[in-house]
Amino acid sequence: AQSVTQLDSQVPVFEEAPVELRCNYSSSVSVYLFWYVQYPNQGLQLLLKYLSGSTLVKGINGFEAEFNKSQTSFHLRKPSVHISDTAEYFCAVIMNSGYSTLTFGKGTMLLVSP
Amino acid sequence: DAMVIQNPRYQVTQFGKPVTLSCSQTLNHNVMYWYQQKSSQAPKLLFHYYDKDFNNEADTPDNFQSRRPNTSFCFLDIRSPGLGDAAMYLCATSRDQGGTDTQYFGPGTRLTVL
Repeated sequence: AQSVTQLDSQVPVFEEAPVELRCNYSSSVSVYLFWYVQYPNQGLQLLLKYLSGSTLVKGINGFEAEFNKSQTSFHLRKPSVHISDTAEYFCAVIMNSGYSTLTFGKGTMLLVSP
Repeated sequence: DAMVIQNPRYQVTQFGKPVTLSCSQTLNHNVMYWYQQKSSQAPKLLFHYYDKDFNNEADTPDNFQSRRPNTSFCFLDIRSPGLGDAAMYLCATSRDQGGTDTQYFGPGTRLTVL
């Protein structure tokens, strides 16, 4: 079984500042990793995913994430945030072989203020 | 645009009164999922269909049932809603059930139980 830990439940940041949302995972086998964003009263939208290859993954809306196998982390970063980035961000993991379902972390609320 | 549609967006029901939530998709995906997301928590998978094959998560209460009459539609039936079933219910689809297949989410139905 796999699990995901998002240590920060909330991250307040000022507009145009950089941000990092932390995600650590635990799994006995290799995994694929995802970041989803959820705006208020909406469904989840895929930001980016790591399947294989380059450990630096670029996604939509200027976000990127880096897969670090030794630290079992997949932190999400953006160099300069906008007010419109205010949302809940979920890290998720799925095993890369056999039957598996997507396991989500508890989410991090990014609060961007002017 | 191809998408995942959920109706209604907001549903109010009474304690113990059966309720059905609807999901449709124009993506022609093989897999459809139902997640329950309680306030400030991660989405939790209830069950999914791979084509017509139903897969129930081990800890999904018997109170929750699902139907998939055709590729495009999937329903979530809550036979006797309790106060603890108040949540956002998210429908998602994916082309296949492998780890590389992105899940596409609908906007969700927020269920209130009075």
